[in-house]
Amino acid sequence: QQQVKQSPQSLIVQKGGISIINCAYENTAFDYFPWYQQFPGKGPALLIAIRPDVSEKKEGRFTISFNKSAKQFSLHIMDSQPGDSATYFCAASIEGNYGQNFVFGPGTRLSVLP
Amino acid sequence: DGGITQSPKYLFRKEGQNVTLSCEQNLNHDAMYWYRQDPGQGLRLIYYSQIVNDFQKGDIAEGYSVSREKKESFPLTVTSAQKNPTAFYLCATGTQNTGELFFGEGSRLTVL
Repeated sequence: QQQVKQSPQSLIVQKGGISIINCAYENTAFDYFPWYQQFPGKGPALLIAIRPDVSEKKEGRFTISFNKSAKQFSLHIMDSQPGDSATYFCAASIEGNYGQNFVFGPGTRLSVLP
Repeated sequence: DGGITQSPKYLFRKEGQNVTLSCEQNLNHDAMYWYRQDPGQGLRLIYYSQIVNDFQKGDIAEGYSVSREKKESFPLTVTSAQKNPTAFYLCATGTQNTGELFFGEGSRLTVL
């Protein structure tokens, strides 16, 4: 129930195209859904996040779509650029006895071709 | 410069040796976490701490130990009991207010 599934494992997109990464969860108690971007040899950095009372959040070229009934959420990268080439992790978190607990998806390696 | 500092960035260890990875933060965050990253497996939680002198085991705590003597510091010791220690280790901090996690640059440990 604590697992977050993520697909695809890898994604190749042409410059200017749309990149879509999907995630699914089981535990309906999760209350925060962030996306992280990680470049090789670096730590992940928060990209965008959403809470379950909102169905969509947009920040620049990045949009999260959230479907509470289906327990799914996705990241859309519009007008994808070679600089977006990185690994993307979705996550879900829940308030536990000892603070916020995070569960991460396995990651999607995105390559944007010039 | 504000942030999270992990050291060393690269570390080589012989089998049977304990090693300690440092994590220091000046963000004044209460929560600190250690994650292990292996290819294709995402991030797995080793230990976390919400307050000084208190910490909790994560999903893969066996073979690791931590301490939290100061709010700013959360070192991780990889002991000889860890069967497969070669990995990328990430320290993170967080606040109760936003629920966000902030990551350091990571430490890559290789066991020879």
